[in-house]
Amino acid sequence: GENVEQHPSTLSVQEGDSAVIKCTYSDSASNYFPWYKQELGKGPQLIIDIRSNVGEKKDQRIAVTLNKTAKHFSLHITETQPEDSAVYFCAANSYGQNFVFGPGTRLSVLP
Amino acid sequence: ETGVTQTPRHLVMGMTNKKSLKCEQHLGHNAMYWYKQSAKKPLELMFVYNFKEQTENNSVPSRSSPECPNSSHLFLHLHTLQPEDSALYLCASSQDPPDPEKLFFGSGTQLSVL
Repeated sequence: GENVEQHPSTLSVQEGDSAVIKCTYSDSASNYFPWYKQELGKGPQLIIDIRSNVGEKKDQRIAVTLNKTAKHFSLHITETQPEDSAVYFCAANSYGQNFVFGPGTRLSVLP
Repeated sequence: ETGVTQTPRHLVMGMTNKKSLKCEQHLGHNAMYWYKQSAKKPLELMFVYNFKEQTENNSVPSRSSPECPNSSHLFLHLHTLQPEDSALYLCASSQDPPDPEKLFFGSGTQLSVL
């Protein structure tokens, strides 16, 4: 079955700097890769996703890149702000399969 | 609100109590899920329902049992719980495959077992 690894487990950046979180997956059949943000006391919220027929997707300050050959994908947050502080989860899935989540990255943006 | 509503938000139970968690989705989806989120562990899928039929049961102990009366409502009935059952229980919904579709989560029920 699919296995998703995520690094780093914790990340601290200064406000205004960029943050990058990386995930690797094992199942080459996986074709959908979402990223979720979970703030304290809330459920995970989808912030961006990418399908395997695309190499990069951007939405304002966040972007996701996908390398199918290497089976890894990354979340990039530019110009970080304190409200970006949260736990971020990556996930992978494919047709007929359930989502497999990474263990999460706790991002702290220091003012 | 994300369109997936969970109640209660917090629950404290003794090991001999019986309680139910409720989830309702307002997104017109036909698949609903229960996930368990424990400290320092990845999200664990517990149950999946597609069109009210259970399609996944990930070896969850029988002290947690789901019920899906229709495609908009999902319950998790709890009884004789153990301290290790303390966790954030998340409900989610999605539109049924064939293509992988977005998964929307509720805010969760934080369960503490004493």
